[in-house]
Amino acid sequence: DTAVSQTPKYLVTQMGNDKSIKCEQNLGHDTMYWYKQDSKKFLKIMFSYNNKELIINETVPNRFSPKSPDKAHLNLHINSLELGDSAVYFCASGIGGMNTEAFFGQGTRLTVV
Amino acid sequence: GEDVEQSLFLSVREGDSSVINCTYTDSSSTYLYWYKQEPGAGLQLLTYIFSNMDMKQDQRLTVLLNKKDKHLSLRIADTQTGDSAIYFCAEKDQAGTALIFGKGTTLSVSS
Repeated sequence: DTAVSQTPKYLVTQMGNDKSIKCEQNLGHDTMYWYKQDSKKFLKIMFSYNNKELIINETVPNRFSPKSPDKAHLNLHINSLELGDSAVYFCASGIGGMNTEAFFGQGTRLTVV
Repeated sequence: GEDVEQSLFLSVREGDSSVINCTYTDSSSTYLYWYKQEPGAGLQLLTYIFSNMDMKQDQRLTVLLNKKDKHLSLRIADTQTGDSAIYFCAEKDQAGTALIFGKGTTLSVSS
């Protein structure tokens, strides 16, 4: 009955590889997000997406791309992984609008070696 | 742009009250949020307050909002060791599309 689920939970990969993280929500929300949490626990929005609009944080490298096959899924693709990409990536979903409360997945810890 | 500031650490003894403070910049924020992150876990929404309120109480949690000073606080009464976690204050971004988080306050509770 998990509301927002991400897979995998842990991902260890070599520099230069391409990887994907999957996210699914069963809350019926129309907006999904990807956040990055660095080693100091700082959280930054990477993308927000609903079925109409993708909003990209301008600081996110274009090696990162979200892909949404349907309203319940927002996957994160990362090309040419770099050491600095190591972080915990959180998917979240919400109803959008004035109340931007978000429900978070458990996170994917990505380690690039 | 928007900015949310919090102190990074707070240490209290079990049974004491904890007060975590936050300042924000976007005066148009309609909702302000507190999230809790336990070690190795995702973020859990603790509570939120609508901008036309000064205070909201929910069991051991009290949120105070001072709109004039753009100051938000979270008070945890009778703090327990299980309250040890990182607490994030958040407001929505100006586009109203996502949350902007503070850097998080690590609460350490000693017995």
